[in-house]
Amino acid sequence: GAVVSQHPSRVICKSGTSVKIECRSLDFQATTMFWYRQFPKQSLMLMATSNEGSKATYEQGVEKDKFLINHASLTLSTLTVTSAHPEDSSFYICSARDRATGDQETQYFGPGTRLLVL
Amino acid sequence: GQQLNQSPQSMFIQEGEDVSMNCTSSSIFNTWLWYKQDPGEGPVLLIALYKAGELTSNGRLTAQFGITRKDSFLNISASIPSDVGIYFCAGRNSGNTPLVFGKGTRLSVIA
Repeated sequence: GAVVSQHPSRVICKSGTSVKIECRSLDFQATTMFWYRQFPKQSLMLMATSNEGSKATYEQGVEKDKFLINHASLTLSTLTVTSAHPEDSSFYICSARDRATGDQETQYFGPGTRLLVL
Repeated sequence: GQQLNQSPQSMFIQEGEDVSMNCTSSSIFNTWLWYKQDPGEGPVLLIALYKAGELTSNGRLTAQFGITRKDSFLNISASIPSDVGIYFCAGRNSGNTPLVFGKGTRLSVIA
């Protein structure tokens, strides 16, 4: 299957700092990428849809100024958690939609980034 | 909004047993996807379904797209310890909408 990478895999930062997470589709082009947040023993919560060359679409309740998303190329989207606080600690997962197969598109996930804000 | 009901929430089974889990939707979907997530990892795609009635296998896994387009099931035959994890169903009703996820089925396999 298609490969999506995320970097870093885990990060620990001080409260008030900003953290950037990268999501790359390694062997396909992704016009659309998605950012999710997952709390322990919970399902994935969609935060935003990242479209290449345009502004991201944020889900209700997700602060766009807090979670900055940039999708500058067909293989890279970044999520920046600005002025991180302990409540932002979570598991962040990106996914990329592979549309190469036409209508039978599917979505592949990265390995996730665990963020701990002290 | 759209909701997916996934059941069971958790399962404890003996190694070698077959497993079945399902998802039902409040609305029609055009795509059903099944993922498995191991602790600390991202979900891994197991099976993708695109047509009502479609039955697709991937090794010991079999999944079907319900003919009403509002449900899907995943079967695992002859379970082994490495089948342990959380299984998520996900569906989409059009190409431009995000996936809707079930809450997951946590599978434990007792050797």
